[in-house]
Amino acid sequence: QKEVEQDPGPLSVPEGAIVSLNCTYSNSAFQYFMWYRQYSRKGPELLMYTYSSGNKEDGRFTAQVDKSSKYISLFIRDSQPSDSATYLCAMSTGNQFYFGTGTSLTVIP
Amino acid sequence: DADVTQTPRNRITKTGKRIMLECSQTKGHDRMYWYRQDPGLGLRLIYYSFDVKDINKGEISDGYSVSRQAQAKFSLSLESAIPNQTALYFCATSDPGGNNQPQHFGDGTRLSIL
Repeated sequence: QKEVEQDPGPLSVPEGAIVSLNCTYSNSAFQYFMWYRQYSRKGPELLMYTYSSGNKEDGRFTAQVDKSSKYISLFIRDSQPSDSATYLCAMSTGNQFYFGTGTSLTVIP
Repeated sequence: DADVTQTPRNRITKTGKRIMLECSQTKGHDRMYWYRQDPGLGLRLIYYSFDVKDINKGEISDGYSVSRQAQAKFSLSLESAIPNQTALYFCATSDPGGNNQPQHFGDGTRLSIL
């Protein structure tokens, strides 16, 4: 079983839709949770970072962590064509980082 | 200018050749990492270094070696390249400060081995 599971998609939505991206994990030692966005031919770019259960909002993006269920989500409101990218979830114990395989998202104008 | 710079951005080479990928950073972070990314497999850790005198193997270190020349420089070598090392390679840095700061990535080196 992988440390982090992420549905690879692809996911295709119309512009303006609310997007929900999800990851599950098995290691209770994970304390830090991240979402990265990766455009084609670019490196992963940090979008959201949190270390507690609950919601964290930044503009159109909301990261949600449920440690009891070992489940994290990223919500994108009012999705734009520029949000089309691969989204990676990541988790850390403090020293080691573990990444999901990424979900490919396309937002259609 | 990018905080984490990788060179070269693209490289095509032949089986058996020695390759070096370089990474430099201006973020002042102590921790540096090398990953490879393959379709469907995500990011896999090759080597990491928590400071200049510290080198650790990651999940898939066989066939690779690294050198931490300075706090800001971390290079990855393929001593004798083979085709299944064709992949996208990323360098990342992090700061172990308060609340374990997340990793920051370069834009990658696309390596093709024929």
